[in-house]
Amino acid sequence: DVKVTQSSRYLVKRTGEKVFLECVQDMDHENMFWYRQDPGLGLRLIYFSYDVKMKEKGDIPEGYSVSREKKERFSLILESASTNQTSMYLCATTRGGSYEQYFGPGTRLTVT
Amino acid sequence: GESVGLHLPTLSVQEGDNSIINCAYSNSASDYFIWYKQESGKGPQFIIDIRSNMDKRQGQRVTVLLNKTVKHLSLQIAATQPGDSAVYFCAEPWAGGTSYGKLTFGQGTILTVHP
Repeated sequence: DVKVTQSSRYLVKRTGEKVFLECVQDMDHENMFWYRQDPGLGLRLIYFSYDVKMKEKGDIPEGYSVSREKKERFSLILESASTNQTSMYLCATTRGGSYEQYFGPGTRLTVT
Repeated sequence: GESVGLHLPTLSVQEGDNSIINCAYSNSASDYFIWYKQESGKGPQFIIDIRSNMDKRQGQRVTVLLNKTVKHLSLQIAATQPGDSAVYFCAEPWAGGTSYGKLTFGQGTILTVHP
C-alpha cells in the first residue's frame, strides 16, 4: 500500500511566522502535489513537483513556496503566514504516467 | 453534481437505500475519470475509475456510469451504509498541457446516510 504521511495533523501559527509543512511518501512516486481545501472551494492546487528539484506552480501559488530535495519528500513553505492561509493542506502523489493520486491525511493549519 | 459558491450539493439517504451522486465534467477530450471519497478529517481516497472507452464500470457496491454525450458521470452506491457518509469528488485529467498526473476536481457532494 502507498503510504503518504504529513508532518502534522494540526498546526497553529501566528501571523508572520514561517511555516513548514512536510510530506513523505514511501512508493518512489515521481509526482507530488500540494493542495489546500476550503469549504465550498474544493481542492485547489498550490504547487506540484515531477522530479527532484523540479517544481511548477499550480493555480494558487501566491504566498507559498516548495522544496523537493529528495524524491520521497515534498515540503510546502509559507514564507510569512497570514490569516487567509488558514486551511486544510493536503499532499498527494502519483507515479509517472498515472492520474491516480494518493493523498496524505491532511494538515489543518490555523493562523492567528 | 457540481456546485458554484459556498454550498456543496448534499444527498441524504436511509441506510440500505441506493445512492446516486452526479458530476458534470468540463473537458470533452478527457479520457479518464476518478471518483474519490473523503471522510471527515481524512484525505481523499480512491474509489473507482473509468476510461472514456467504457460506459459503465462496477466495483464492490459501487458503479460508475459515463455519458460522454452530455459530459456527465455518476457514482452509484448500492445498499448504502453509515460508513459511506463522506464527501465524494469526481476528477478528470488537467487539460492545460503536460499534466504530470494533475487532476481537476469537482466541488464535491456531501452524502449523509441515516441509520
